[in-house]
Amino acid sequence: DTEVTQTPKHLVMGMTNKKSLKCEQHMGHRAMYWYKQKAKKPPELMFVYSYEKLSINESVPSRFSPECPNSSLLNLHLHALQPEDSALYLCASSQGPPGANVLTFGAGSRLTVL
Amino acid sequence: AQKITQTQPGMFVQEKEAVTLDCTYDTSDPSYGLFWYKQPSSGEMIFLIYQGSYDQQNATEGRYSLNFQKARKSANLVISASQLGDSAMYFCAMRERTQIAGGATNKLIFGTGTLLAVQP
Repeated sequence: DTEVTQTPKHLVMGMTNKKSLKCEQHMGHRAMYWYKQKAKKPPELMFVYSYEKLSINESVPSRFSPECPNSSLLNLHLHALQPEDSALYLCASSQGPPGANVLTFGAGSRLTVL
Repeated sequence: AQKITQTQPGMFVQEKEAVTLDCTYDTSDPSYGLFWYKQPSSGEMIFLIYQGSYDQQNATEGRYSLNFQKARKSANLVISASQLGDSAMYFCAMRERTQIAGGATNKLIFGTGTLLAVQP
């Protein structure tokens, strides 16, 4: 079983809907990440939270809104998405620097925007 | 800017044989980390092995070993005794350390991946 839990596993939404992706970890990790992965492409970093503060935003459109309510939870709020936003959204966590900082990934949320 | 290159879009290997997946990188940071992840068709990214830039010995984890050649800036993954369950996409990745207010944080940048098919 993965130690990073993502819900829902699948989500279908219209362009006017508001939905959220959720991610939870109980490993005591202090850094959490959102990645977007299109089919047959590598994951692309969207956001990094370090100690519950947003530390990296890779110029992601404002229709994606991250939230880190506490050290175990990470949300990604979705609003007015476009069909090209359909992708696999991966959450990950890590202990943070220093050290190897291995990222542990969840199983992903597969999003389809109609 | 840091860069990761995987030149093999796809590879075939016979069951029980060894296979090498290539990865080269480019960075000006003297301290860096290199990772390999496996992604089955289910989508989850599974961590396989890690090599730090200052590690003297090549990393090994069970059937996985990392052939680290620092001067050549390569970090190839060797899978010994391939199994049918090894069929998946394999990504090489590098840790990029970024300075932020109050400290530093890391992000992982990925190569384009190699799709490995193990044949019976």
